[in-house]
Amino acid sequence: SAVISQKPSRDICQRGTSLTIQCQVDSQVTMMFWYRQQPGQSLTLIATANQGSEATYESGFVIDKFPISRPNLTFSTLTVSNMSPEDSSIYLCSVGLGGGHGNIQYFGAGTRLSVL
Amino acid sequence: QKEVEQNSGPLSVPEGAIASLNCTYSDRGSQSFFWYRQYSGKSPELIMSIYSNGDKEDGRFTAQLNKASQYVSLLIRDSQPSDSATYLCAVNRYNFNKFYFGSGTKLNVKP
Repeated sequence: SAVISQKPSRDICQRGTSLTIQCQVDSQVTMMFWYRQQPGQSLTLIATANQGSEATYESGFVIDKFPISRPNLTFSTLTVSNMSPEDSSIYLCSVGLGGGHGNIQYFGAGTRLSVL
Repeated sequence: QKEVEQNSGPLSVPEGAIASLNCTYSDRGSQSFFWYRQYSGKSPELIMSIYSNGDKEDGRFTAQLNKASQYVSLLIRDSQPSDSATYLCAVNRYNFNKFYFGSGTKLNVKP
């Protein structure tokens, strides 16, 4: 597995502002992922963060709203832009590590975001 | 049709009983299957992976895979109150980056 540090762990933000969430891994990984989990719901993949290239976004998520950076193999950021109360959610970073049968995903502790 | 389907529960079992959690998936090309446990307010943690048909045991946990029926299950023996959590099933293809997660089954183990 890997040690994945995500921060902030929680934040309360005002409508219209932006928040950048950081994800740091203790080893080099090719694939990093960003998920959203709304209360009582399962995980929704926002995007896959590829080092050295643009992130790949899932349907319903756009770069202008959720810009992602991946400057190296151990770090990524997700920005939630121009926030509204509907963005209140838990945001999770995960990494894919080779397990001999393809990747296994491991998760950071998450960022609990509340937008007022 | 969702890629991965789970009964949302809650599934309630008495302490010491066997809890049986089930998951079906739609992609016949799926090759990797995972069970994650998520405590309330926490992130998912991997508890089991299985890649071949049959059973795989790890302590009190047994994962069962039937690719022909596109079905994977998790058995928890001697359930404890500390097992109370939401259990997420996930599937993946080798060399595919995307995991498909089910909506999770909430398990309550009553003392």
